[in-house]
Amino acid sequence: GNSVTQMEGPVTLSEEAFLTINCTYTATGYPSLFWYVQYPGEGLQLLLKATKADDKGSNKGFEATYRKETTSFHLEKGSVQVSDSAVYFCALSGGNTGFQKLVFGTGTRLLVSP
Amino acid sequence: DTGVSQDPRHKITKRGQNVTFRCDPISEHNRLYWYRQTLGQGPEFLTYFQNEAQLEKSRLLSDRFSAERPKGSFSTLEIQRTEQGDSAMYLCASSPAGTGTDTQYFGPGTRLTVL
Repeated sequence: GNSVTQMEGPVTLSEEAFLTINCTYTATGYPSLFWYVQYPGEGLQLLLKATKADDKGSNKGFEATYRKETTSFHLEKGSVQVSDSAVYFCALSGGNTGFQKLVFGTGTRLLVSP
Repeated sequence: DTGVSQDPRHKITKRGQNVTFRCDPISEHNRLYWYRQTLGQGPEFLTYFQNEAQLEKSRLLSDRFSAERPKGSFSTLEIQRTEQGDSAMYLCASSPAGTGTDTQYFGPGTRLTVL
């Protein structure tokens, strides 16, 4: 079945450092790909998404490009802030899972220090 | 747009008791989803409704679990004879109808602790 693999955390960075969180997926067909973020004490929020190969999703300075050839959707940000500290989840829907349900990775905790 | 709401936010119960959670989706969203998230893991799909019809259920949803969405608006998730392994965060999400993939908007979750 469909699955998502994320790099393990925590990822610890200083403010203004460059961020990469790796995400790879296994799916048949053409899934849509998502990054969700969970701030402390809050629910999951959609950060960005891409629905077809070579699409780039972007939001709040974060970017991720749908790479079908490497089955990857890595999250990047050029300069992180303390307020970016959160847990980041890569997810997919579609392919042979069906469009309705999301399949999530295990999450990567990001800690940004001043 | 008030977002997806869930009630209660926290529930502590003793093993063997029944519990019921409620989810109110974003108005006009006709798709509603339940997920379960355990500590250190990503959310796992439990079940999905389109309007009042329950269209898909995960194998995770044992016969002790039942979900309803009687009028196609709010939904309830009931767990009977709770077990310690049921301790988790239960998340609800909703999305509008449409073709292809629609973004799912999540509520804050209900944290269940079974003693």
